[in-house]
Amino acid sequence: RKEVEQDPGPFNVPEGATVAFNCTYSNSASQSFFWYRQDCRKEPKLLMSVYSSGNEDGRFTAQLNRASQYISLLIRDSKLSDSATYLCVVIGNTGGFKTIFGAGTRLFVKA
Amino acid sequence: DTEVTQTPKHLVMGMTNKKSLKCEQHMGHRAMYWYKQKAKKPPELMFVYSYEKLSINESVPSRFSPECPNSSLLNLHLHALQPEDSALYLCASSQGDRSYEQYFGPGTRLTVT
Repeated sequence: RKEVEQDPGPFNVPEGATVAFNCTYSNSASQSFFWYRQDCRKEPKLLMSVYSSGNEDGRFTAQLNRASQYISLLIRDSKLSDSATYLCVVIGNTGGFKTIFGAGTRLFVKA
Repeated sequence: DTEVTQTPKHLVMGMTNKKSLKCEQHMGHRAMYWYKQKAKKPPELMFVYSYEKLSINESVPSRFSPECPNSSLLNLHLHALQPEDSALYLCASSQGDRSYEQYFGPGTRLTVT
């Protein structure tokens, strides 16, 4: 089992749609959780941190469920510019604070 | 300012060459990272420096040699690479090495011929 697993993609959605991504992690000692987006041939950019209480930034909402060991990202009112790969990132404490990326989920938003 | 800079942007090197990748940040971050990313794959952690000391080496072959001359600079020295080492090499930094957000540089696209 991979340490961090994400929904397989790609997701193809029309503009204005709501889309949700899920990510599960295997290490219950994981400390921190993030969502990054990566555009083609660019570096990953931080989208948001994920907290147990949930957090929202405009059209984006992230949730963490420690009991079930998953995190989610909800994008409302999708825009063409949301088309990218979304990467789930987990920092765990096993022999040091290691950063593990999920494989990423590709999102295509179409007009 | 959340800028991490990397040089060069592109690098082509032969298997017998020695080259270095450079990374710089001026955010006062105390942790810096090297990642390797192959096409259509996520970044894979290679090394972590925390307070200028190597804290994590993810069993990276010795032909990759990291160096942290000071808290703002991170180098990756390359020697006797293989064609399969061709990839995007990303540098990142964060406040500390534990629970903090990481900010990435634009990467160096390396081709080994």
